[in-house]
Amino acid sequence: QVQLVQSGAEVKKPGSSVKVSCKASGGTFSSYAISWVRQAPGQGLEWMGGIIPIFGTANYAQKFQGRVTITADESTSTAYMELSSLRSEDTAVYYCARGRLRFLVEGNYFDYWGQGTLVTVSS
Amino acid sequence: DIQMTQSPSSLSASVGDRVTITCRASQGISNYLAWYQQKPGKVPKLLIYAASTLQSGVPSRFSGSGSGTDFTLTISSLQPEDVATYYCQKYNSAPLFGGGTKVEIK
Repeated sequence: QVQLVQSGAEVKKPGSSVKVSCKASGGTFSSYAISWVRQAPGQGLEWMGGIIPIFGTANYAQKFQGRVTITADESTSTAYMELSSLRSEDTAVYYCARGRLRFLVEGNYFDYWGQGTLVTVSS
Repeated sequence: DIQMTQSPSSLSASVGDRVTITCRASQGISNYLAWYQQKPGKVPKLLIYAASTLQSGVPSRFSGSGSGTDFTLTISSLQPEDVATYYCQKYNSAPLFGGGTKVEIK
């Protein structure tokens, strides 16, 4: 059974950066994309981007290009999402999610999700 | 850019009712559509993929249909544990979620 375990809640100042981790266990890590999806309070789901660990290159949603960096460490089966230049509108729960289809970031849907990490941006 | 529009945004129905949620894509996406259920305070759960294929373990009262631009999620007999927000997601290219439909019990 695949499990995705994320790092804990963060409180950040506007203009700073946050890095959230997502450690996978129980399945094949390298060939399945890990994506990041966020959910602002009371709002819907928003895909930010994803990475296939064995390839190492990430795809990003246009909205987040230049502000988000997604990486993966195959040796520890851990994916990371770093968001910079934080503003209050970035306050949200950030989820990592595994793509169901191998070797695809964008043409994919999500069968396993992490528990979510609340990132609060406040001065 | 493709838009995904769900309707209604919320609904209230009685236990045992048939519930239908609609998702419309602004351009054709073939059958590259998934549905998720998110219960209050919980993580999204995959219900259906490829527009109509039920994910393993999902009760058979859930079904999906559609192709191209118009899709539906149907709950054949609403149960109290189905109270949740339901999201569609297209995946023909960059993933994009609909705005969600909140389902409550009357």
